[in-house]
Amino acid sequence: GQQLNQSPQSMFIQEGEDVSMNCTSSSIFNTWLWYKQDPGEGPVLLIALYKAGELTSNGRLTAQFGITRKDSFLNISASIPSDVGIYFCAGRKSDSWGKLQFGAGTQVVVTP
Amino acid sequence: DSGVTQTPKHLITATGQRVTLRCSPRSGDLSVYWYQQSLDQGLQFLIHYYNGEERAKGNILERFSAQQFPDLHSELNLSSLELGDSALYFCASSSDRSSYNEQFFGPGTRLTVL
Repeated sequence: GQQLNQSPQSMFIQEGEDVSMNCTSSSIFNTWLWYKQDPGEGPVLLIALYKAGELTSNGRLTAQFGITRKDSFLNISASIPSDVGIYFCAGRKSDSWGKLQFGAGTQVVVTP
Repeated sequence: DSGVTQTPKHLITATGQRVTLRCSPRSGDLSVYWYQQSLDQGLQFLIHYYNGEERAKGNILERFSAQQFPDLHSELNLSSLELGDSALYFCASSSDRSSYNEQFFGPGTRLTVL
């Protein structure tokens, strides 16, 4: 089962607002990835993080690798309608040879 | 477009049947990962192949098997299908040539077992 706790489960926001979500675990990970999934499509990689404390941006998206290596955060600034979708965090442990563990996802709904 | 292709897009079959899902990784990627996504279990890792060899197994049932061929494409075989096997099945590929092994997902195969 899933070992990553992702919150919130869903968010209803207005266009232009900022969005924050996070993922926590009791285990240490050496890689954190954030994906976005649209209905009926495969997850699309947004940001990859490889070092504790790392802060990485991709346009309006910013993600951070927690210093404890047990958590990660994703922020979306100035949301627009196309930000609608489900956002997943995924973590990889050093001994797992690439196997990813996923959070349950955060559903983002943007209203005009 | 991630560069990972999966066929078929949709598959409808009956209980007890066997199906084969196909995945072609991005050009140059040696690793293929299979994941199952269902409403109650979320995205679950099934199995990983690297350059033709099985590297890791996750929550994969004994009724399921996979292989990776010399041209690096992979197939996931699901047999004695049950209603609960209905789900989205994704493959992802990665180069795995360094520690920066980001995984890129295909569009998935939606399996419906009736």
